[in-house]
This record gives sequence, structure tokens and C-alpha cells, in this order.
Amino acid sequence: GENVEQHPSTLSVQEGDSAVIKCTYSDSASNYFPWYKQELGKRPQLIIDIRSNVGEKKDQRIAVTLNKTAKHFSLHITETQPEDSAVYFCAASTGTGSARQLTFGSGTQLTVLP
Amino acid sequence: EAGVVQSPRYKIIEKKQPVAFWCNPISGHNTLYWYRQNLGQGPELLIRYENEEAVDDSQLPKDRFSAERLKGVDSTLKIQPAELGDSAVYLCASAWTGGSYEQYFGPGTRLTVT
Repeated sequence: GENVEQHPSTLSVQEGDSAVIKCTYSDSASNYFPWYKQELGKRPQLIIDIRSNVGEKKDQRIAVTLNKTAKHFSLHITETQPEDSAVYFCAASTGTGSARQLTFGSGTQLTVLP
Repeated sequence: EAGVVQSPRYKIIEKKQPVAFWCNPISGHNTLYWYRQNLGQGPELLIRYENEEAVDDSQLPKDRFSAERLKGVDSTLKIQPAELGDSAVYLCASAWTGGSYEQYFGPGTRLTVT
């Protein structure tokens, strides 16, 4: 089955700096890659996603890049703010429609220092 | 729209006792997932439903875990008997496979087995 590895496990940045989180996946059939943000004690929430037919996607301060050949994808957060502090999970998914299921990475604890 | 609802939010039980978790997905979502999230880890899929049918339960420890989704709406996950290693957050998620790929998560039930 699919295996997703995520690095780093913890990341501290100064407010205003950029943060980058990287993930690799094992199944070349994976075709959907979401990123979830989970604040302490709260539910995971989708912040951005990318499909395998796209190499990059951006939404304001957040961007995701995908390298299908190398089987890795990354989350980029620019101009970080204290409210960006949370655990971020990457995930990879194979299948379509009703057969879709996610395999998650182990998470990155991001701390933005004021 | 109302989000995914789970109850209870917290549960403390002694080992060997039974426990049940309830999930009400977003209205109209035909797919429902139960995940287990151990401390410091990403969610791991336990079971996936398409309407009332369990289409993937390969990760569900069937000797002690059971689940049902009557009428293809609400779902219940049960553990009997609970073990110390079952302490985790149990997350429910739902999705509409005819639309976007996004899975919407509930707030989870934090189970502590003593």
C-alpha cells in the first residue's frame, strides 16, 4: 500500500519568514495530494490540495508543488504569522470517486515565533 | 452548512469495558470514514463506507472493533473490549464522491483507556 513520509517533524520560524514542509510518497498511482492543518484539540482542515495533472498551485500565502517523477510534494507558507502555528499533515490518495482513500504523513508541528 | 458531528467528545473508560462513538456526516455525503489518530501521528483509516456498505475495512481490528452505518447516514464505531493501546482520537470524516475530493473531518472523540 501507499506510504507517505513527512519532514521535518518540527519546524520553528520567525514571523514573516517562509516555511517549507516536504513529503514523499511511494505509490506512483497516487493522484491527489491534500494538506491539512490541525490546531491543538481541533479537527483537521483542508488548506490546499493538488491533483497529479498540475505541478503547482497557489492560494494567497500558501502554495503546493508536486514532482511526480521524484514522487514528492511540498507545502510552502510565505510571510508566516503566529496563527499559522499548528500541525500540518500531508496526504496522498489513489483511486477515483468512491474508491478514494487518504494515507497521511506523520505531521509537522509548525511554530511561528513572534 | 453544518459540519460533521461526533459524540462524545471525550471518553474515559477502564480496560475491558465497551465503548461506542457516534458520527453524523454532512448532509448528502455518501462516503463516511473512521480514522484513528494516535498522539503525534497522522490519521489512519479504520473503515470506509459507501452509503451503507463497508467497502474497505481491511485496517479494522475485527476481533474487538465493529462499525455500522444504518440507512447510509449516521455511523457508530464500537470497541469491545477496550485495551490500553486503544487510547487515541477517533475521527470521522465524510465526502461526496460526486464532487470535490475533499474529506471533511469531525472534531473527534478522544478516548482514554485506563
